[in-house]
Amino acid sequence: GDSVTQMEGPVTLSEEAFLTINCTYTATGYPSLFWYVQYPGEGLQLLLKATKADDKGSNKGFEATYRKETTSFHLEKGSVQVSDSAVYFCALKDQAGTALIFGKGTTLS
Amino acid sequence: GAVVSQHPSWVICKSGTSVKIECRSLDFQATTMFWYRQFPKQSLMLMATSNEGSKATYEQGVEKDKFLINHASLTLSTLTVTSAHPEDSSFYICSAPDSKFYEQYFGPGTRLTVT
Repeated sequence: GDSVTQMEGPVTLSEEAFLTINCTYTATGYPSLFWYVQYPGEGLQLLLKATKADDKGSNKGFEATYRKETTSFHLEKGSVQVSDSAVYFCALKDQAGTALIFGKGTTLS
Repeated sequence: GAVVSQHPSWVICKSGTSVKIECRSLDFQATTMFWYRQFPKQSLMLMATSNEGSKATYEQGVEKDKFLINHASLTLSTLTVTSAHPEDSSFYICSAPDSKFYEQYFGPGTRLTVT
């Protein structure tokens, strides 16, 4: 079945450091890909998404590019801030599905 | 953006009792809602899909008699954990998609502790 694999955390960075959180997926067809963020004590919020190959999602300085050849959707930010501390989830939704399939989450501090 | 609320945000109950968790879409209608369960440092696992006007669809391995789901209206779905046991302690999260399923909106979650 479909699945999402994220890099294990936690990830600890200094302010203004470069961030990469790796995400790879397994799916048939052409899924949509998402990054969600969960701040302490809050619900999941959509950070960015991409619906087809080579699409780049971006929001709040974060970017991720849908790479079909490597089945990846890595999250990057050039200069992290303290306020970016949260848990980040990579997720996919297949063409037929409606629910999301999540990775395990990566804690950034 | 659209808002989904959950109530209660946390609950402690004794083993053997039942607990009801509500999920509401506050400013939009949702014919479908999803219930997820999240263990500490683990991913969100889809438990069931709640459908307004019909029975819920449960994922493999989820006991439908233990986790009762009722989609009472276009803005409310409830999850009742019946005869709760300590192993049911977890973080339960609901979500509701927009009308075209382009985006899902998540509730803040309910932390259940069974003693």
